[in-house]
Amino acid sequence: GAVVSQHPSWVICKSGTSVKIECRSLDFQATTMFWYRQFPKQSLMLMATSNEGSKATYEQGVEKDKFLINHASLTLSTLTVTSAHPEDSSFYICSARGGTNTEAFFGQGTRLTVV
Amino acid sequence: AQSVTQLGSHVSVSEGALVLLRCNYSSSVPPYLFWYVQYPNQGLQLLLKYTTGATLVKGINGFEAEFKKSETSFHLTKPSAHMSDAAEYFCAVSDRWQFYFGTGTSLTVIP
Repeated sequence: GAVVSQHPSWVICKSGTSVKIECRSLDFQATTMFWYRQFPKQSLMLMATSNEGSKATYEQGVEKDKFLINHASLTLSTLTVTSAHPEDSSFYICSARGGTNTEAFFGQGTRLTVV
Repeated sequence: AQSVTQLGSHVSVSEGALVLLRCNYSSSVPPYLFWYVQYPNQGLQLLLKYTTGATLVKGINGFEAEFKKSETSFHLTKPSAHMSDAAEYFCAVSDRWQFYFGTGTSLTVIP
């Protein structure tokens, strides 16, 4: 299957700093990328959906100014957590879908810890 | 609107026993249905999917699932559980735009 690479796999940052997470589709063009947040022992919560070259569509309750999503190319999307706080600590997962693909391919996830 | 219900947040089976993880869905369009597996601190890996055609779909690692439209179900089964099957399993439905996930079922395999 197609490969989606997410980087970094884990990051620790100080409260008030910003963190960028990258999601790359390695062998296909990702026309749509999804960003999820997952709390321990819970399901994936969709944060936003982005199409290449256009602004991301955020789910209700997700702060656009805090979670900046950029999908500038068909192989790369980034999620920047701005002014991170301890409550932003979580597992963030991206997924990507290309063209007429019926399935989405998932990155390995990023464990963010804000101290 | 689309939604997924996974009955049983925790399932325990003995090694070698049948695995049955339940998934019911609702969808306003003909659904695409998926089962994903997640190991600790990792992303999701596709086990199998149903889009069209044969309602019994086979996936990786010996898993299979049957799409039953009349029951709006897509239950996941495996004839004989292996220790390596212990993980979190998510059922998902897609309306071709977004994916909607169930709350997950944690599978424990008892030696």
